[in-house]
Amino acid sequence: AQSVTQLGSHVSVSEGALVLLRCNYSSSVPPYLFWYVQYPNQGLQLLLKYTSAATLVKGINGFEAEFKKSETSFHLTKPSAHMSDAAEYFCAVSDRGSGGSNYKLTFGKGTLLTVNP
Amino acid sequence: NAGVTQTPKFQVLKTGQSMTLQCAQDMNHEYMSWYRQDPGMGLRLIHYSVGAGITDQGEVPNGYNVSRSTTEDFPLRLLSAAPSQTSVYFCASRTIAGRSTDTQYFGPGTRLTVL
Repeated sequence: AQSVTQLGSHVSVSEGALVLLRCNYSSSVPPYLFWYVQYPNQGLQLLLKYTSAATLVKGINGFEAEFKKSETSFHLTKPSAHMSDAAEYFCAVSDRGSGGSNYKLTFGKGTLLTVNP
Repeated sequence: NAGVTQTPKFQVLKTGQSMTLQCAQDMNHEYMSWYRQDPGMGLRLIHYSVGAGITDQGEVPNGYNVSRSTTEDFPLRLLSAAPSQTSVYFCASRTIAGRSTDTQYFGPGTRLTVL
């Protein structure tokens, strides 16, 4: 079964500083990978997804993530944090291929990002 | 186009009561699913469906029932609520007609408290 590990349940950065949120997956076959953001008391919004076309994926709000097969990682970065980036971020994976079980998303436990003025 | 809608937004139940959480989507998506979100646990899959009349269990199905009589609706039933079911519940949907990388769209959530 797929699993996802997000290192650091809470990350705190200063406004304007680099944001780095870590995600590692466990699978012998590279899965599909996603980053979702959840603002307080809201649902989940897709930030970006890895489709296997390009290893560096750009998403919304200036975020990007790089797929590294050798490290089984899909870390999320943003060069300069903004106060509005404060939220909880979830990494998720799904298997490749068709079939009901392959459409399931397996989520990491989340990383809460705090941005200090 | 409302996307994925969930009702109610908030609910308080007593132990042993039953209720149904409603989920509807207007995007003609075949795949629908229910997750629960608990602090420090991320989101965990409860049940999912790949089309009308077809449902299957996820990671944490105990205590929950689902059915899928139409493409649009996927209700989640709690037959006898327990305090352990206090959580935030999210419904999600996606098409399966395209590639597996197609996006899952999430509803706004239902916050359930069981006393």
